[in-house]
Amino acid sequence: AQSVAQPEDQVNVAEGNPLTVKCTYSVSGNPYLFWYVQYPNRGLQFLLKYITGDNLVKGSYGFEAEFNKSQTSFHLKKPSALVSDSALYFCAVRLDYNTDKLIFGTGTRLQVFP
Amino acid sequence: EAGVTQFPSHSVIEKGQTVTLRCDPISGHDNLYWYRRVMGKEIKFLLHFVKESKQDESGMPNNRFLAERTGGTYSTLKVQPAELEDSGVYFCASSQEHDRELFFGEGSRLTVL
Repeated sequence: AQSVAQPEDQVNVAEGNPLTVKCTYSVSGNPYLFWYVQYPNRGLQFLLKYITGDNLVKGSYGFEAEFNKSQTSFHLKKPSALVSDSALYFCAVRLDYNTDKLIFGTGTRLQVFP
Repeated sequence: EAGVTQFPSHSVIEKGQTVTLRCDPISGHDNLYWYRRVMGKEIKFLLHFVKESKQDESGMPNNRFLAERTGGTYSTLKVQPAELEDSGVYFCASSQEHDRELFFGEGSRLTVL
């Protein structure tokens, strides 16, 4: 079955430290990969996506993600965390170009402490 | 420009009652999607409209769920009769065309008691 896994329910990091939110996927073919963020009382916001090309993708708010085909991973990273980055992060995959349907992971809550 | 708006933000009903959720997409967006997140689980696709037509409704859980998009503008998602397992957050999203960024609403939280 096609799926996305976010193994950590919560990630805690001190402000100024680097952060990583993990995502692995299990799909056939070449997926399109996405990260979305949900701030409290807000809708999901697009952060970044990988379609093809450079494995390191840069997105909004200083976030980046690295596509690793051999490990089927798409971890979200940021060199220096901010308290304002605290939110719920969702990894998602779109199976191919012909569908807009997204398969999401269960989400990871990022807590950045001052 | 207004974003995707959803109403109500929170609804609490009893098992067996009916609830209708509404989504107003961004003006001019032909594509409209419904997703649902049950507590602590992944966000799951429910269905996809292109204008007023259902493009993909493979994620609709059962026939207690009815989605409409009359006139290709706003959409409603009716749950009748509601069951306990229907509790969750229902997200609506829209996009201008295929392969463009999805814009999500804040979600409608449904609690069935």
